[in-house]
Amino acid sequence: GAVVSQHPSRVICKSGTSVKIECRSLDFQATTMFWYRQFPKQSLMLMATSNEGSKATYEQGVEKDKFLINHASLTLSTLTVTSAHPEDSSFYICSARDATSGTNTGELFFGEGSRLTVL
Amino acid sequence: RKEVEQDPGPFNVPEGATVAFNCTYSNSASQSFFWYRQDCRKEPKLLMSVYSSGNEDGRFTAQLNRASQYISLLIRDSKLSDSATYLCAVKPDSWGKFQFGAGTQVVVTP
Repeated sequence: GAVVSQHPSRVICKSGTSVKIECRSLDFQATTMFWYRQFPKQSLMLMATSNEGSKATYEQGVEKDKFLINHASLTLSTLTVTSAHPEDSSFYICSARDATSGTNTGELFFGEGSRLTVL
Repeated sequence: RKEVEQDPGPFNVPEGATVAFNCTYSNSASQSFFWYRQDCRKEPKLLMSVYSSGNEDGRFTAQLNRASQYISLLIRDSKLSDSATYLCAVKPDSWGKFQFGAGTQVVVTP
């Protein structure tokens, strides 16, 4: 199946710093990628939809200036958490659909996730 | 009301037993349904898609009930390795946004 890789898997940073998370589709092109956040024992919450070559679409309540998304190529999207604070500590997961496969059934493939801890 | 709801569990299941749980959705126009498995501190992985006619994959059986707006997952002959959180995902159409449930935790005990 399609493979999505996310890096780093774990990051610890000081309050006020910025953290960049990368999401790559390894064997397919993804014009659209999705960024989720998941708090313990809670559902995946969609933060934004990353569109290759254009601005990301943010969900209501998600600050676009705090969570910067760049989708510069068909295989790479990045999420930058700017001026991170302890309340930003969470599990961030990217996902993508394989739009090129003739057998696509529409399911999402997830990256391994990035666990962010802000001290 | 949440768009997708699941019983959080945990469902404690003896090894070899059968467990089943549901996921309800509020959008009657939803067209695509999936079950994902998520292990602790890991990303979700697709378990199976849910088709209108129901489908089976080994020990796992998924059903869709459009009239009552829920999908179900049944696990037969539970294995210890089935212990995980099972997330349901619902989409309004093939390319719409996924809505996830919060997950149902299953714990299979020896």
